[in-house]
Amino acid sequence: GENVEQHPSTLSVQEGDSAVIKCTYSDSASNYFPWYKQELGKRPQLIIDIRSNVGEKKDQRIAVTLNKTAKHFSLHITETQPEDSAVYFCAAHGGGPGNQFYFGTGTSLTVIP
Amino acid sequence: DTEVTQTPKHLVMGMTNKKSLKCEQHMGHRAMYWYKQKAKKPPELMFVYSYEKLSINESVPSRFSPECPNSSLLNLHLHALQPEDSALYLCASSHGVLNEAFFGQGTRLTVV
Repeated sequence: GENVEQHPSTLSVQEGDSAVIKCTYSDSASNYFPWYKQELGKRPQLIIDIRSNVGEKKDQRIAVTLNKTAKHFSLHITETQPEDSAVYFCAAHGGGPGNQFYFGTGTSLTVIP
Repeated sequence: DTEVTQTPKHLVMGMTNKKSLKCEQHMGHRAMYWYKQKAKKPPELMFVYSYEKLSINESVPSRFSPECPNSSLLNLHLHALQPEDSALYLCASSHGVLNEAFFGQGTRLTVV
């Protein structure tokens, strides 16, 4: 099955700085890569996603890049704000039987005001 | 309607109790999922239903029993749980591969 690794596990940045979270995956058949943000006590919510036919996608302060050859993808948050503090999960989808997401281990991001 | 609704929000049950978690979506999604999430850990896949048929069971103990009565509903029946089963249980749905999974707000389960 798919194996998704995520780094770092914790990340602290000053408000206004950029944050980068990286994930690698093992199954070259995976073709959809969402990023979820989960605030304490709340559900995971999609913040951005990328499909395997695209190398980069941007939505305001958030961007995701995908390198299919190297099997890694990254989340970039610019001009971080305190409300960006949360746990972020990457996921890979589409390589295994049936329909399922394989999640990374999560990154706890703290933005220091 | 882009919501996945889960009930109850909180549940405390004894180890001899039988209870059920419920999940509902009206987005026409044909894939529905149950995940278990422990604090500060990623969601762990338990079951996947595709077109109302169980397509994946990730070696979950038989004290958890899923049911998909129709394309909008997903239940998780609980019986003889252990304290280590205490967790946040998340339901999700998606159109299928290459589509966003929408998560419900979860049921916070405590087994005493």
